[in-house]
Amino acid sequence: GESVGLHLPTLSVQEGDNSIINCAYSNSASDYFIWYKQESGKGPQFIIDIRSNMDKRQGQRVTVLLNKTVKHLSLQIAATQPGDSAVYFCAENINLDTGRRALTFGSGTRLQVQP
Amino acid sequence: NAGVTQTPKFQVLKTGQSMTLQCAQDMNHNSMYWYRQDPGMGLRLIYYSASEGTTDKGEVPNGYNVSRLNKREFSLRLESAAPSQTSVYFCASSDYRQNQPQHFGDGTRLSIL
Repeated sequence: GESVGLHLPTLSVQEGDNSIINCAYSNSASDYFIWYKQESGKGPQFIIDIRSNMDKRQGQRVTVLLNKTVKHLSLQIAATQPGDSAVYFCAENINLDTGRRALTFGSGTRLQVQP
Repeated sequence: NAGVTQTPKFQVLKTGQSMTLQCAQDMNHNSMYWYRQDPGMGLRLIYYSASEGTTDKGEVPNGYNVSRLNKREFSLRLESAAPSQTSVYFCASSDYRQNQPQHFGDGTRLSIL
């Protein structure tokens, strides 16, 4: 079936650098995407979302870019800090057989910030 | 504001035992969800409840049952635990409106021997 996936399982960056985490999706009907951050022993924490009628959305130190032509989603983190070290998941809203909608998640990218 | 609260945080069971995982949210959300997360993988949907009084199967429902007790609470039951159900279980909730983010609890770490 169609799924959300990630290009890099682990990303290592220096503190203060910018980080870019990528995600590919294959369901062209998806119209809503979310990035989550998961720290060790914790549940996923909402970072930022974007709807398909947008190409870019900015939050505090984070930017999500959506390229519907190539079905690609990215999360940019500016001035990466040690506290940003975590696993990052992208998720898309899909239509279930029941007619309802639910999120499907990629396998995640681990971001390691080197001091 | 606690958000989504899951109990217990840790549990060890023997094969064949039964158990109910509890979840409660205080955000007045209509929709609630149960996921499992296996090592190195994303979350997979077990069951969800779009609103009070309704429940539907997700991607991996076999071996589980759920109960939407009221608007706040959504429980997950393992009737006869199997080692393949060793996982971390997450509960989430979201607003009823379309395209709203889900908010997660901190999980229940379940080991089945």
